[in-house]
Order: sequence, then structure tokens, then C-alpha cells
Amino acid sequence: GENVEQHPSTLSVQEGDSAVIKCTYSDSASNYFPWYKQELGKRPQLIIDIRSNVGEKKDQRIAVTLNKTAKHFSLHITETQPEDSAVYFCAASLNDYKLSFGAGTTVTVRA
Amino acid sequence: NAGVTQTPKFRVLKTGQSMTLLCAQDMNHEYMYWYRQDPGMGLRLIHYSVGEGTTAKGEVPDGYNVSRLKKQNFLLGLESAAPSQTSVYFCASSLWSGEQYFGPGTRLTVT
Repeated sequence: GENVEQHPSTLSVQEGDSAVIKCTYSDSASNYFPWYKQELGKRPQLIIDIRSNVGEKKDQRIAVTLNKTAKHFSLHITETQPEDSAVYFCAASLNDYKLSFGAGTTVTVRA
Repeated sequence: NAGVTQTPKFRVLKTGQSMTLLCAQDMNHEYMYWYRQDPGMGLRLIHYSVGEGTTAKGEVPDGYNVSRLKKQNFLLGLESAAPSQTSVYFCASSLWSGEQYFGPGTRLTVT
């Protein structure tokens, strides 16, 4: 099955700086790559997703890039704010619904 | 709309006991999923369903059974609980592909 690796496992950034999380996947046939955010004690929620026919997607301060050749994709958060502190999970899917998740990145935004 | 709800929120079982976790969604979603979340391992898919009356195995199905007798409900059963099944269990649903909506989670401890 699909194997997704996520780095780093923890990330501490100064408020206002950028944060970057990287994921690699094993199956070149994967075509859907969502990112979920989970605040402490809460449920995961989708923040952005990208499909394999697109190289980059932006939504306000969040962007995701995809490199199909290298089989990796990244989440970029600009101008970080305290409310960005959470665990972020990347995922990959062959069929848009059966997701394989990475292990997660705990992001802490320092005031 | 309540979205995705899970019952119970917390449960403690002794080894060998059985229990059923109930997931309900009121969004008329076709697809439903059960995940477990363990520290440092992200979310792992246990079983999923692509429609009423259907079920399929995910990444870690051993020791669990599921049923989807009604479109809005997805039940996860543990026939003989083991300490290795101590985890947080999340149910999710999606229309077909794309964004998955998660429930609030059930924290299960097996002693």
C-alpha cells in the first residue's frame, strides 16, 4: 500500500515567520493530496488539498506544492499566527477517498 | 446539522470484553470511515464503507468488525478487546471523494 513520510515531526517558529512541512509518498499512481489540521483535543479538519494535475494551490496564507517526479509535496504557511499552532497531517490517495496519512507535524508558533 | 457524531466519547474496557462504537452522520454522505490515532503514527484506516450495506478493510483491520446497515450509521465492533487497541478512534464521512468530515473521537482504554 501507499507509504507517506512526513518531516519534521515538530516545528517551532516565531510568530510572523513561515513554516514548511514536507511529505513524500511511495506510489507514483497517487493523485490526491490533502492536508488536515488538528488542534489540541479536537478533530482533524481539512485545510487544503491538491490533485496530481496541479503543481501548486494557494488559499490565503496557506499553500501546497506538488512535485510528482520526486513524489513529494509540501505545506507552506506564511505570516504564522498563534492560532496556527496545531498538529498537521499530510495524506495521499490513489482514489480520492482511501487516505494514507503521514505521522504528523506538531507546529508551535512562539509569540 | 450535527455533522458527524460518535458515541461514546470515552470508554474503559477490560481485556477480552467487547463493545461497539457508533458513528452517525446527517449530511447524506455515501462514504464513511473508521480510523485510529496513536501518538507518532498519524491516522490509520481500520475499515471503510462506500455505501449502505458495503464494508471494506483498511490498513489495520485485524481485531475489528464493522457494519453499515443504514446510510447514516457506521458501527465499529471490538469482539475481544486487547491492550493494543487502546487508542483514540475517529469516524469520518465524505460525499464521495474529497474532503472527509471527522467526528469528535472516542478515547478507548483497554486494561
